[in-house]
Amino acid sequence: GAGVSQTPSNKVTEKGKYVELRCDPISGHTALYWYRQSLGQGPEFLIYFQGTGAADDSGLPNDRFFAVRPEGSVSTLKIQRTERGDSAVYLCASSSQSNTGELFFGEGSRLTVL
Amino acid sequence: QQQVKQSPQSLIVQKGGISIINCAYENTAFDYFPWYQQFPGKGPALLIAIRPDVSEKKEGRFTISFNKSAKQFSLHIMDSQPGDSATYFCAASPSGNTPLVFGKGTRLSVIA
Repeated sequence: GAGVSQTPSNKVTEKGKYVELRCDPISGHTALYWYRQSLGQGPEFLIYFQGTGAADDSGLPNDRFFAVRPEGSVSTLKIQRTERGDSAVYLCASSSQSNTGELFFGEGSRLTVL
Repeated sequence: QQQVKQSPQSLIVQKGGISIINCAYENTAFDYFPWYQQFPGKGPALLIAIRPDVSEKKEGRFTISFNKSAKQFSLHIMDSQPGDSATYFCAASPSGNTPLVFGKGTRLSVIA
């Protein structure tokens, strides 16, 4: 597909479990972003990659959250010891090097922690 | 600290009317101000964006008005249609490829 792809679209897990969320950006986009969106709120920045390296991880709420992008394309957001408060839609976006500023978002992964 | 304050939280407009959503910011380093539109179950999509070198930008029925001295910007949707019913987010960033800071969103309902 031509857009940003996120899997799974829906994930239900139990408190304390480990979760991985995957993002496949638009081909050729060097910048990749993870946001978290709680019900009725705007997207909240988590982490930003330029290529393989995390250019800004200041939005990660604590050390249970970690993200990687080993080959500069697909990224995985990892959440350890999940808590009920982690329940949200996790959005991934990518952008090109053209500096137009436009972010292309995926449809998100809805995480529910029981 | 909320860096971008958006209002109203929700808005109901008659078909054909004008929808107006406002945003205010504090960080004077912001120089890129987009508006995103989000439908239920979908990710946000860029609607229109402005940089502070102009005070207004129009694309079809959508207009951004920007007031640098007041640190405010707004989205106007002319001739609002039921298909415009969605949640709208203002956002801002210091430059094009740095992380955007989003407002809390405005849920717009356009009724016939």
